[in-house]
Order: sequence, then structure tokens, then C-alpha cells
Amino acid sequence: QKEVEQNSGPLSVPEGAIASLNCTYSDRGSQSFFWYRQYSGKSPELIMFIYSNGDKEDGRFTAQLNKASQYVSLLIRDSQPSDSATYLCAVNIRTGFQKLVFGTGTRLLVSP
Amino acid sequence: DAGVTQSPTHLIKTRGQQVTLRCSPKSGHDTVSWYQQALGQGPQFIFQYYEEEERQRGNFPDRFSGHQFPNYSSELNVNALLLGDSALYLCASSLVLASSGANVLTFGAGSRLTVL
Repeated sequence: QKEVEQNSGPLSVPEGAIASLNCTYSDRGSQSFFWYRQYSGKSPELIMFIYSNGDKEDGRFTAQLNKASQYVSLLIRDSQPSDSATYLCAVNIRTGFQKLVFGTGTRLLVSP
Repeated sequence: DAGVTQSPTHLIKTRGQQVTLRCSPKSGHDTVSWYQQALGQGPQFIFQYYEEEERQRGNFPDRFSGHQFPNYSSELNVNALLLGDSALYLCASSLVLASSGANVLTFGAGSRLTVL
């Protein structure tokens, strides 16, 4: 079982719709969870992180965490073509010192 | 405020050669992590440096080694290059947030290595 799993996509949504990206993780001891966006040929950039169960909102983005189900998601409201990118889920694995483990990413395509 | 800087941005090597990649962390960050990202994959953890010591290592062979200097900058060295080492090498510096304990990584632009 992979430590962090994501559907590779692509996930296609029309402009203005809500995009829902999902991620599961295997380490129950994980404490913090991150979403990064990566445009083709560029490095990952942090969108937001969450460490408490429930929802966390930042502008058009909402991260949702359910530790009991070992599940974290990212909702993008009012999706724009500029949101087209790969979204990487990352989990802080506690192995003495904190290590960030990434999923393979979900490719999102927003069509005008 | 300069972010994480990496050099070189692109390089081409042949099999068997050695390469050194460099990274300067974001101001105020003291921990540097290196990741390898193959095409279509997520970043894979190579190792992490703190206080000039390697304190964690991922599943990479000893051909991959590193160093951290007193000014927190870091180098990644790869010996005996293989075709499979072709990838984007990402350096990330970090700061553990006292409020949450979250280890927030800031990535550099990466060094794209092609091995022929």
C-alpha cells in the first residue's frame, strides 16, 4: 500500500464548476496535510495545509480532513482555466523527524 | 526576500559521470530537503539536512550523497549516473510552525538533469 494515494486523472471540469480532488494516506500517526499545485515544467507551490479534522477555507480553495477515514480533499470553487495543473497531496510522516511524502498528483483540466 | 534558489537549472550528463547540484534555502529556514521527481510522478524524498547533518534518508542508493554548509546551503551529489537518474531535482527548505507543528516546505525551481 502506498503511503499517499491520489487518482492520477485527468479530472476535467468546465469553467466555473467545483473541482474536487481526493487523497488517502496510510499512516494513522500523520498530523499535517498539504496541497501543492504544480504547473507543467515548474516546481510545486503550496496552496494550503490542514492539521485539524474538518474544513479549512482560503479564498476559492477548501481543504477537508477526516483522520478517522485517513482522507483529505481539496475543493476548488469557481474553477478557472488557470487552475489547470497537477495537484499534489503531501503528508507529514512522523518518523522521528518530519518527512513530507507526496502522492503522484492529480491532473486537473478546466475547460473554458 | 529571496526564496529557495537552485543551480544549475538544466544540465546534461552521460552515464557514469558525476553531478553536483546546489541549493540556497529561503532566509530564516535551517532545514533542507532534496526530492527527485521523475516525469509524471510525485516528488520522491531523497534526504534531509539539518545542522549540517543528514537526519533522514529515503530509499535511494549511496550514489546519492549530500552536504549542508554552516550558512544552511546544501549540495546534492550523484555519482555513477544512470539513465534512470534523469529527473527534476527539487530542493526545499523548511520551517516548522510552532503553532501547528507542521513542517511547511518551500521549493526551489529545480534542476533538470538529463542523463544520456
